[in-house]
Amino acid sequence: GAVVSQHPSWVICKSGTSVKIECRSLDFQATTMFWYRQFPKQSLMLMATSNEGSKATYEQGVEKDKFLINHASLTLSTLTVTSAHPEDSSFYICSASPEGWAITIQYFGAGTRLSVL
Amino acid sequence: KNQVEQSPQSLIILEGKNCTLQCNYTVSPFSNLRWYKQDTGRGPVSLTIMTFSENTKSNGRYTATLDADTKQSSLHITASQLSDSASYICVVYHNNNDMRFGAGTRLTVKP
Repeated sequence: GAVVSQHPSWVICKSGTSVKIECRSLDFQATTMFWYRQFPKQSLMLMATSNEGSKATYEQGVEKDKFLINHASLTLSTLTVTSAHPEDSSFYICSASPEGWAITIQYFGAGTRLSVL
Repeated sequence: KNQVEQSPQSLIILEGKNCTLQCNYTVSPFSNLRWYKQDTGRGPVSLTIMTFSENTKSNGRYTATLDADTKQSSLHITASQLSDSASYICVVYHNNNDMRFGAGTRLTVKP
């Protein structure tokens, strides 16, 4: 099956620093990529949707300047948490789809656990 | 109100027993519905996809059903194993670039 690699799987950083998370589709072209945030014992919350070469579409309440998303190629998207604070500590998951519209399948990365001290 | 409601919120069963997870949705228009399994600290993995015209689909010990009229889906797990302990998430896909996630059911299988 299709593979999505997410890196790093776990990161600890100091408050005020920025953290970049990478999401790669290894064996297919990811026309659309999604970034989710998940708190303990809760379901995934969509943060933004991105299409290769265009600006990401952010969900209501998600700060664009705080969570920078880049989808520069059909196999790579990055999420940068800028000036991270303890409240940004969470589990971040990306997913990718070869479809650009009428999404019927997403392949998820393994997630990145971010701990901000 | 969430457009995808899952029940129960959590479930504990003994190894070897069967269980059924429910997903009710109000999402419209409907493209397809997927059940995902999410192990703790991992990303979700698709178990099965149900399209509008499908009623039942099996994948090993997992059987999903769909009633598009009542907008209900279920995931039945047969002869549960310890490795079935996970969160099971129901996701309903629109006929566009949109999807709705259920809150998930946390299943614990005990020996």
